[in-house]
Amino acid sequence: GQNIDQPTEMTATEGAIVQINCTYQTSGFNGLFWYQQHAGEAPTFLSYNVLDGLEEKGRFSSFLSRSKGYSYLLLKELQMKDSASYLCAVRGRAGKSTFGDGTTLTVKP
Amino acid sequence: GAGVSQSPSNKVTEKGKDVELRCDPISGHTALYWYRQRLGQGLEFLIYFQGNSAPDKSGLPSDRFSAERTGESVSTLTIQRTQQEDSAVYLCASSPGQGRNTGELFFGEGSRLTVL
Repeated sequence: GQNIDQPTEMTATEGAIVQINCTYQTSGFNGLFWYQQHAGEAPTFLSYNVLDGLEEKGRFSSFLSRSKGYSYLLLKELQMKDSASYLCAVRGRAGKSTFGDGTTLTVKP
Repeated sequence: GAGVSQSPSNKVTEKGKDVELRCDPISGHTALYWYRQRLGQGLEFLIYFQGNSAPDKSGLPSDRFSAERTGESVSTLTIQRTQQEDSAVYLCASSPGQGRNTGELFFGEGSRLTVL
């Protein structure tokens, strides 16, 4: 099975940088995903890591360490519209994706 | 269609009634998932279909829940004898599967179920 942990809530200031951590334990690993979910909406894909290291995509970056079972999502130059829940998901060898409970990020002016 | 389509978008039912929720995945996507999301909580895995393989039903919470998928097309999630604890948003997602793709999930807008 899979066990995924991430902080419940975080608060940051507009223009700042925030790092959302995710730790996981899995019996099989075939990729880690980050999704963004605004209140009342469906999740949307942000990033994917399958090898160790940093993947950068504009203001968002995601890091993976498979040996440590650890990932983080880094958001730079925070904007008010970045207030949302951020979901960490791990895909197992059979292709099934399991989600953490999500981190609710509040960006304040 | 262009995206994952779910119906109904909202369903209010009385305790004890059966409900059916429908999902039309993106054409060509071999993988299809159902998740449940209670208010303010994360996504709870229910069931996963991948091509012609036997579905992974390990997340279904009780025998009142069942799901079917016709080939690589439409899926229906059925909840029998609904209980108030079943109230949640039921999200469907599809994926191109593995291989050259990352396997990201494309979500529908969800079906919000309220059991009175």
